[in-house]
Amino acid sequence: LAKTTQPISMDSYEGQEVNITCSHNNIATNDYITWYQQFPSQGPRFIIQGYKTKVTNEVASLFIPADRKSSTLSLPRVSLSDTAVYYCLVARGAGGYNKLIFGAGTRLAVHP
Amino acid sequence: DSGVTQTPKHLITATGQRVTLRCSPRSGDLSVYWYQQSLDQGLQFLIQYYNGEERAKGNILERFSAQQFPDLHSELNLSSLELGDSALYFCASSASAVLSGDTQYFGPGTRLTVL
Repeated sequence: LAKTTQPISMDSYEGQEVNITCSHNNIATNDYITWYQQFPSQGPRFIIQGYKTKVTNEVASLFIPADRKSSTLSLPRVSLSDTAVYYCLVARGAGGYNKLIFGAGTRLAVHP
Repeated sequence: DSGVTQTPKHLITATGQRVTLRCSPRSGDLSVYWYQQSLDQGLQFLIQYYNGEERAKGNILERFSAQQFPDLHSELNLSSLELGDSALYFCASSASAVLSGDTQYFGPGTRLTVL
């Protein structure tokens, strides 16, 4: 099953674009990649999900190269309120059963 | 508000005791997932139920058990509690049995403190 690796922490400044990369070298054909945001003492919140190429929604973009061994969450023009932990999840749903592996999370600190 | 509810919000108990955490999924969701998050640690997947049946198992200890009832709410039972069981316990729900193309919605969590 795909093991995920993310940077432990990142720092940025308000207004900058932030890119957080997750490595999942053993990703399988049926695996989807999902990113979550978590604030202290709150449940994780869904940000974006993708299978391949690029996905964009109102808050983020997700870039997945052709080999799918990594994915990059892109947060445009971050603000102080984007300070949080970001988790990458690889989920496989083969045969009707889930295999779930969360990354250890990337702690993003946005500075004024 | 994700639509997932968890009770209680906080629980303080002693070592050796048993507790039950409760989760109600979003309306229409059939899957319930349980996670443990220790202080400053990542999310550890414990177990998933789909429409009353166990569907996937993660790093769940034998002292822990869960079930999903006909009304789709779920309970996580933790017994013979140890200090190391102190953590945030999250419940999440999703519509389908598998997450490929689906997503989870997380509840606010139950903070368990074992003294």
